[in-house]
Amino acid sequence: AQSVTQLDSQVPVFEEAPVELRCNYSSSVSVYLFWYVQYPNQGLQLLLKYLSGSTLVKGINGFEAEFNKSQTSFHLRKPSVHISDTAEYFCAVSDGEYNNNDMRFGAGTRLTVKP
Amino acid sequence: TGVTQTPRHLVMGMTNKKSLKCEQHLGHNAMYWYKQSAKKPLELMFVYSLEERVENNSVPSRFSPECPNSSHLFLHLHTLQPEDSALYLCASSQVGAAANYGYTFGSGTRLTVV
Repeated sequence: AQSVTQLDSQVPVFEEAPVELRCNYSSSVSVYLFWYVQYPNQGLQLLLKYLSGSTLVKGINGFEAEFNKSQTSFHLRKPSVHISDTAEYFCAVSDGEYNNNDMRFGAGTRLTVKP
Repeated sequence: TGVTQTPRHLVMGMTNKKSLKCEQHLGHNAMYWYKQSAKKPLELMFVYSLEERVENNSVPSRFSPECPNSSHLFLHLHTLQPEDSALYLCASSQVGAAANYGYTFGSGTRLTVV
C-alpha cells in the first residue's frame, strides 16, 4: 500500500521569503499525488494535483510542486509567501487506479509566516 | 461549500448516542469519513463508493456509518471514549469513468467526549 512522509512538522518563514514543504511517498505502482491546505477551523482544500504529464504542477495561490519519480518526492514550493499562507499543508497519494477511493495523507506540515 | 457537515461542534458524554451528518451537493458518487487527531495523519475510517461500503479500516464498532444515498453520509456514535475526541471530516469524490481525482472536504465536526 502507498504511504506518505512529510519531512517537516513545522516550517516557520518570514513574509515574502520562499518556502519548500517536503513530501516523499512510497508505492509499488503508479501514483497520483496531491497537496491540500487546511486553514483553522476548516476542512481541507485542494491546492494542486499530479496525475500525469508535466512533472511541474501549478496550483492555486501561487503554489507549485514538482514530481520526481527517481526520488519519490513531490515537494511544494512558493517563491514568496504571505501572512495569509499560514496554515497546515497535507501531502496525499492514491494509486493510479480507476477508482481512487484510497487516498492516504501525510501527518501535515504547519507553515507559519511571520511579518 | 459543496460538502456540508453538521453539527460543527459536539460535546457528548460517554453514554450518549449522537450522529454526525454529511451532505454533498456536487453529484459525486463516493463519500468518506476521516478522523483528524492532533499531530497524527488523517485516518481513513469508512469509504462508500456508489453507495456501497468498500473499506472499513478496523474502526471500533462504537462508530457506525450509514449511507442512505449518494448525497448523504452519517456517522452514528455510541458509548465513545475520551480518546475519540477529534475533528471528523467528511469528503466526497467522483470515481469511475468521470473520476475527478481529488476529494472535496467539509469543514468538519469537532467532537469532544467528556
